[in-house]
Amino acid sequence: GQNIDQPTEMTATEGAIVQINCTYQTSGFNGLFWYQQHAGEAPTFLSYNVLDGLEEKGRFSSFLSRSKGYSYLLLKELQMKDSASYLCAVPHSGGYQKVTFGTGTKLQVIP
Amino acid sequence: DAGITQSPRHKVTETGTPVTLRCHQTENHRYMYWYRQDPGHGLRLIHYSYGVKDTDKGEVSDGYSVSRSKTEDFLLTLESATSSQTSVYFCAISESDREAYGYTFGSGTRLTVV
Repeated sequence: GQNIDQPTEMTATEGAIVQINCTYQTSGFNGLFWYQQHAGEAPTFLSYNVLDGLEEKGRFSSFLSRSKGYSYLLLKELQMKDSASYLCAVPHSGGYQKVTFGTGTKLQVIP
Repeated sequence: DAGITQSPRHKVTETGTPVTLRCHQTENHRYMYWYRQDPGHGLRLIHYSYGVKDTDKGEVSDGYSVSRSKTEDFLLTLESATSSQTSVYFCAISESDREAYGYTFGSGTRLTVV
């Protein structure tokens, strides 16, 4: 089965850096997704990691350690618009048709 | 933006009535999904489709049925709505099942069963 753990809430200051952690347990690893979801809106795809290491996309980076069952999303130069929930998700071993989502980390950016 | 729309956006219905939610895409993507999102549970897969008339169950499929008679439309039916089905329902599409393009989600349908 799949199990995903993320902190429920985090607060960070505008302009700072924040790291959102995700630990997972899965019977077969097919990569890990991060999504962003603003309140009252749909989730939007941020990143996908299948190999160990850090992948950078502008102000957002995502890290994966398969041996530790661990990932994090790193947000730099925080902006007020980054206030949102961040969802970690892992596909089932059979393919991408079934994806298990974590409950999400609600990030509040304060001035 | 990817062309995916859900209707209705909001609905209030009575317990015991059937309800159908519609997802329409203009991207010609093969895969379509229905999720529900509830506080404390995150997004949970109800049903998905991997082609016209090809569907399969997700983790919370009891009380729901789906149909896909055309590539662009994926319907979710609550056969007899219950209060436990009050939720936000999201449809999603994806291009492939082998490469991780991620999902594109519709704007959601907020359903209240009274």
